Amino acid sequence: NAGVTQTPKFQVLKTGQSMTLQCAQDMNHNSMYWYRQDPGMGLRLIYYSASEGTTDKGEVPNGYNVSRLNKREFSLRLESAAPSQTSVYFCASSEEGYTEAFFGQGTRLTVV
Amino acid sequence: AQSVTQLDSHVSVSEGTPVLLRCNYSSSYSPSLFWYVQHPNKGLQLLLKYTSAATLVKGINGFEAEFKKSETSFHLTKPSAHMSDAAEYFCVVREPTGFQKLVFGTGTRLLVSP
Repeated sequence: NAGVTQTPKFQVLKTGQSMTLQCAQDMNHNSMYWYRQDPGMGLRLIYYSASEGTTDKGEVPNGYNVSRLNKREFSLRLESAAPSQTSVYFCASSEEGYTEAFFGQGTRLTVV
Repeated sequence: AQSVTQLDSHVSVSEGTPVLLRCNYSSSYSPSLFWYVQHPNKGLQLLLKYTSAATLVKGINGFEAEFKKSETSFHLTKPSAHMSDAAEYFCVVREPTGFQKLVFGTGTRLLVSP
């Protein structure tokens, strides 16, 4: 069982470069999320998608865009990377209701 | 709006002594509550969850948590700490309305000394 798979695991970007973080889940979940994790701040929601074809902003959306390509895949794009976007990024998925979310292993991104 | 407060950023215990990680939540509805654990440079693993059934919830690795509505708390406990419990722990709340986003606390780092 793969669960939630994120690629890449590590990435170093120069300021102003762009990149896309990929996420795929094989649990047939409708809901998918992108979080960023910074020391002392827990995980903060960047964007989420309630179902295929819908996306909404979370707590910290500035500088990011997302695409829900299909039910399985939810990508996060940085159009022009900035040092403030240095972070660990987690993708997650869940069913609706009271259930928990399942997380990928994370992408450690450094912007220099 | 829902929110979570983890009352301690760091907790230090000796191996074999009890663990208490404190979490208070704010929610307009009866929420779901979760504890996740993150070992260094790893992803997040679910420890346990409360979803309006029994108020005392047992999780993996000997952890348990008690939902106390009157105190809006969901503290995590373990009778005897093990070295392998050293990690960061997150309390998470999810409301059963709207999009049902998960909201994270800022985390508690548990240090276990021999």
